Amino acid sequence: DAGVTQSPTHLIKTRGQQVTLRCSPKSGHDTVSWYQQALGQGPQFIFQYYEEEERQRGNFPDRFSGHQFPNYSSELNVNALLLGDSALYLCASSLAGQSSYEQYFGPGTRLTVT
Amino acid sequence: SQQGEEDPQALSIQEGENATMNCSYKTSINNLQWYRQNSGRGLVHLILIRSNEREKHSGRLRVTLDTSKKSSSLLITASRAADTASYFCATVRSTDSWGKFQFGAGTQVVVTP
Repeated sequence: DAGVTQSPTHLIKTRGQQVTLRCSPKSGHDTVSWYQQALGQGPQFIFQYYEEEERQRGNFPDRFSGHQFPNYSSELNVNALLLGDSALYLCASSLAGQSSYEQYFGPGTRLTVT
Repeated sequence: SQQGEEDPQALSIQEGENATMNCSYKTSINNLQWYRQNSGRGLVHLILIRSNEREKHSGRLRVTLDTSKKSSSLLITASRAADTASYFCATVRSTDSWGKFQFGAGTQVVVTP
């Protein structure tokens, strides 16, 4: 049973560029959430996708956008990259309505903006 | 500001000792979860405790929840070198829909052989 997978593992981009990160949820899961984790900090909720729509959003600017595909996989897009966007980006999947609220996390994508 | 705050920020113990860390939060919650993270990798779910529960056990882990004090504690008994990691508490505020986790800054635990 495949867990949550993310690609790429590492990425180096230049300030002002755009980046796309990808996530495949755990088999059987239909909801994907994205988090940003700066060095030495806890993860910060970016947004959540369910039924191909953004359902909840954290305190992140519109430069951060996403998409969910019919197979439940998801992309996170960040435009006009800033140095402060350097972080570990985590994807988590879950099953809508699951009472345990448990989320399974992927290994993350390390984004460095220079 | 973060919903959850772990204390202490860092903890260094020897194998066999117990490790205790605390989490405080600010608003009403539906449940509280603890996660472990090794060396900046993905988070591993450890245990979930619901707002109507006071204590929960899982293997060498013991979690307590005091909703009146808005706090939780995680106890790792008989620690091992493999327990070296960062530990985070995560909450879902009762005003948020499920899945929107609020994390604290974490407790870094180092277990020396």
